[in-house]
Amino acid sequence: DTGVSQNPRHKITKRGQNVTFRCDPISEHNRLYWYRQTLGQGPEFLTYFQNEAQLEKSRLLSDRFSAERPKGSFSTLEIQRTEQGDSAMYLCASSLVSGATNEKLFFGSGTQLSVL
Amino acid sequence: GESVGLHLPTLSVQEGDNSIINCAYSNSASDYFIWYKQESGKGPQFIIDIRSNMDKRQGQRVTVLLNKTVKHLSLQIAATQPGDSAVYFCAETESGAGSYQLTFGKGTKLSVIP
Repeated sequence: DTGVSQNPRHKITKRGQNVTFRCDPISEHNRLYWYRQTLGQGPEFLTYFQNEAQLEKSRLLSDRFSAERPKGSFSTLEIQRTEQGDSAMYLCASSLVSGATNEKLFFGSGTQLSVL
Repeated sequence: GESVGLHLPTLSVQEGDNSIINCAYSNSASDYFIWYKQESGKGPQFIIDIRSNMDKRQGQRVTVLLNKTVKHLSLQIAATQPGDSAVYFCAETESGAGSYQLTFGKGTKLSVIP
């Protein structure tokens, strides 16, 4: 158990619907990351937060995607007007940055999204 | 763009044998490398890491080797056990880039035959 909690574990939705996922990082971790993973592939970076500030977004993160981390603790990832191509595992990871150059990311078990 | 890849998509080994999983990377600016293990239905789990100023690092039953000349990374698992069955990913990043934006390879599925 890495300590990163993601809900829900599975989400099935119809094309065009909006979905929201939640991530609760390890409590003292100040960085939070979202990755997306499709079957047979490695995870792909989407975005990350340092405390409550969203500092970087991937080109993969279209305008239909929005992520928040309002109080620097939990984060939500919303996908609007879902498309079948959004079907994937959405992984959250957290880390503690305290001046060291190398972080260790701890991943949650992910939310598996299926868009019908 | 530059990316990390793996030579072998699947690997089957007998229980008790040693396993070697290989990875090639192409981003010459990458200076930090990590191996992750991912079991079915779970997120990636950190195994071992290595910085570019090292060529070998050992953990418990695992060893990572880095060959910067040919941009090659390998993970060696000693005395492979059934619990080692999983997909293994190598990942790379530029530690000075300001964020921990990992680039993952495609993964190698390790199957341990009892």
